Amino acid sequence: DVKVTQSSRYLVKRTGEKVFLECVQDMDHENMFWYRQDPGLGLRLIYFSYDVKMKEKGDIPEGYSVSREKKERFSLILESASTNQTSMYLCASRPTSGGAVQYFGPGTRLTVT
Amino acid sequence: AQSVTQLDSQVPVFEEAPVELRCNYSSSVSVYLFWYVQYPNQGLQLLLKYLSGSTLVESINGFEAEFNKSQTSFHLRKPSVHISDTAEYFCAVSVRIQGAQKLVFGQGTRLTINP
Repeated sequence: DVKVTQSSRYLVKRTGEKVFLECVQDMDHENMFWYRQDPGLGLRLIYFSYDVKMKEKGDIPEGYSVSREKKERFSLILESASTNQTSMYLCASRPTSGGAVQYFGPGTRLTVT
Repeated sequence: AQSVTQLDSQVPVFEEAPVELRCNYSSSVSVYLFWYVQYPNQGLQLLLKYLSGSTLVESINGFEAEFNKSQTSFHLRKPSVHISDTAEYFCAVSVRIQGAQKLVFGQGTRLTINP
């Protein structure tokens, strides 16, 4: 089975802090994604990566950056956390072939106070 | 731009009743379609998918969805729901944008099963 893990289930940070959310997948997938999930808005794509050291902006990249130094790990960085970044963050991965199915991690619920 | 609309944000039903969760998408090109389910305090799990072939697809726990190209719909149905089906359900369409295959999600439908 594909396994996508996220470093924390719950995280509380203060405004202005630098925040790192880590995601690891164990299936050698080329593509990895970061979404945020908010009530009534569904999932919105923040950034994605289709290869090591490659990254592309999604629909809502402002206030975020990413890093992919190794194939299995994709990090989301909040340079200076703000209260409007309080949300559920979901990581996903997908092989380049395989019908476009994405496999999701359990999510990190981030609260910025 | 491609979009997905889930027409109901919440659907309450009684146990053993039938249910339909509606999903419409906008796309002028061939698409892959998905339903994902999110149980409380968990990530998303793939429920079923339409890639090609038969327009009726089924999941292992009794859900089914039918791809209707003319109506651009992919509604999810189950003839008899169980308490354990309580979850949030997301419809998604996979599209190719700027050379990359991405998922576009609907807003989600929260299914609540009452005993």
